[in-house]
Amino acid sequence: DTEVTQTPKHLVMGMTNKKSLKCEQHMGHRAMYWYKQKAKKPPELMFVYSYEKLSINESVPSRFSPECPNSSLLNLHLHALQPEDSALYLCASSQGRGQKGNTIYFGEGSWLTVV
Amino acid sequence: AQSVAQPEDQVNVAEGNPLTVKCTYSVSGNPYLFWYVQYPNRGLQFLLKYITGDNLVKGSYGFEAEFNKSQTSFHLKKPSALVSDSALYFCAVRDMRVMFSGGYNKLIFGAGTRLAVHP
Repeated sequence: DTEVTQTPKHLVMGMTNKKSLKCEQHMGHRAMYWYKQKAKKPPELMFVYSYEKLSINESVPSRFSPECPNSSLLNLHLHALQPEDSALYLCASSQGRGQKGNTIYFGEGSWLTVV
Repeated sequence: AQSVAQPEDQVNVAEGNPLTVKCTYSVSGNPYLFWYVQYPNRGLQFLLKYITGDNLVKGSYGFEAEFNKSQTSFHLKKPSALVSDSALYFCAVRDMRVMFSGGYNKLIFGAGTRLAVHP
């Protein structure tokens, strides 16, 4: 079972709104990721949490705020977004230390539209 | 610099014919290589990976890939294409600057290749 669950599937928000994207996995994985993907482009890494600690922040604007409440959950808090932030946001997870290759498994994504 | 190249934006194949989606890489040391597929309006699905061992790797949905160290390539193949294989395919390599002890992976993706299988 390689399931990463993301909610909501679609989100439309105004530039002054505050919203959150949620991600959950029950595979016992200890690394979780947020990616942003524009149409027909490869995903771009935003954040990585490893063992519940923020390990990578790829210089993401502060209007995006990640949170990892526990090893199964990952949130992305959104505030004062711009229309160019409209994209598919993908959550992913991988096993953690000890697995060769550390395969990353992706969720189905949350489609975000900023109006 | 580490990189992945997918030289073809699109590959067109007739159903039933063999397909190849090309990928070349540039990393220092021994690469960890991955293929992912993305169907329309979906997330990425893991197909297969090469870490070490046999150069021919078998994966999901009948796909396989051949690691060629001398040509720094990792081409994705399938003996007989299906219309349902039509999708966007991404090749990726592990960023070798990321320490294994960190417990996470960082992938460098190619630009993607759109596979269109025609009936």
